Amino acid sequence: GAVVSQHPSWVICKSGTSVKIECRSLDFQATTMFWYRQFPKQSLMLMATSNEGSKATYEQGVEKDKFLINHASLTLSTLTVTSAHPEDSSFYICSSSPDLGYNEQFFGPGTRLTVL
Amino acid sequence: SQQGEEDPQALSIQEGENATMNCSYKTSINNLQWYRQNSGRGLVHLILIRSNEREKHSGRLRVTLDTSKKSSSLLITASRAADTASYFCATDVIQGAQKLVFGQGTRLTINP
Repeated sequence: GAVVSQHPSWVICKSGTSVKIECRSLDFQATTMFWYRQFPKQSLMLMATSNEGSKATYEQGVEKDKFLINHASLTLSTLTVTSAHPEDSSFYICSSSPDLGYNEQFFGPGTRLTVL
Repeated sequence: SQQGEEDPQALSIQEGENATMNCSYKTSINNLQWYRQNSGRGLVHLILIRSNEREKHSGRLRVTLDTSKKSSSLLITASRAADTASYFCATDVIQGAQKLVFGQGTRLTINP
């Protein structure tokens, strides 16, 4: 199956700093990637849809200036949490699919963000 | 907002027993998928059932779909300790898009 990687797998930062998380499709080209946030023992909440070469589409209630998404190539999307605060601490997961004909999503291993 | 709910929220059974998890959703769908998530990890796709299908099998997994009731069930037969994980149903609610909306999940624990 298709492989999606994320980096870093975990990060600890001080309040007020920005953190960048990378999501890469390793063996396929991804025109679309999805970013999710997951709090402990809860489900995944879709944050935004990342489209290669265009602006991301954010879900209602997600601050686009807070969570910057860049999808500059067909294999890489980045999520930057700007001016992070403790309430941003969460598990961030990305997913993608080889092409629009696929319904199955391939997920990255996730990034655990802890903001002190 | 979440598309639907899963039931039960947590399930603990003995190894070898069958585990059944249910998922309900709110809007019309193209298909419904089930994913597994081990603690602190990403999700792994288990099975997809299309809206015109009623039942699907994959190994020890059996999925049913009742579009009239907007519900689905996942049955894991002859459970193993390695099946311990959280299980999520996900629906795609927009025609032609891959956007998924996840249920609340069921935390399954298989006791050896």
